[in-house]
Amino acid sequence: GQNIDQPTEMTATEGAIVQINCTYQTSGFNGLFWYQQHAGEAPTFLSYNVLDGLEEKGRFSSFLSRSKGYSYLLLKELQMKDSASYLCAVRGGSSGSARQLTFGSGTQLTVLP
Amino acid sequence: EPEVTQTPSHQVTQMGQEVILRCVPISNHLYFYWYRQILGQKVEFLVSFYNNEISEKSEIFDDQFSVERPDGSNFTLKIRSTKLEDSAMYFCASSKKRAGGNTGELFFGEGSRLTVL
Repeated sequence: GQNIDQPTEMTATEGAIVQINCTYQTSGFNGLFWYQQHAGEAPTFLSYNVLDGLEEKGRFSSFLSRSKGYSYLLLKELQMKDSASYLCAVRGGSSGSARQLTFGSGTQLTVLP
Repeated sequence: EPEVTQTPSHQVTQMGQEVILRCVPISNHLYFYWYRQILGQKVEFLVSFYNNEISEKSEIFDDQFSVERPDGSNFTLKIRSTKLEDSAMYFCASSKKRAGGNTGELFFGEGSRLTVL
């Protein structure tokens, strides 16, 4: 089966740094994605990790440890517009060629002025 | 920038009616998906489609659901006899074949909100 855990809510201040953690137990693994979703909108792609280590992309970085089943998304220099739900998603299902994503419940980040 | 487009943006229907949700994936993408998100809940996988057939489906995707690619551009989700619990936002997504530096990420449409009364 698939199980992805992330905190339900986090709050941080504009200009600060925040780390959103994600742990997963899945029957297959072919990459971990982070998506951002504003209320009432579609998820939009932020980052992708398939190998262990840190991927940096501007203000956003994502880390993966496959042996620990753990990832985090790091957001630096927070802006008000970063207030959104951050979805951790794992690609891979019961078959090795599975391409669909299994999503966590999302972490609702609120950035305060 | 190419995008996935979905219609309608919002549909209200009576329980037991058939509903068809339409999607136009990004033109050079090969894999197509439907996901749904019940209000306040997580995004859930329904079905993936490749090479004109279903490649995977979840337990949610029962006999009431079907997908079709009737022509070279549209990808549809049909719910044969809607139930109250089908009320959700339905997202279509597409992805390229993953190769080289391509992550194979999913690109999502804006969603079709289905309300079943």
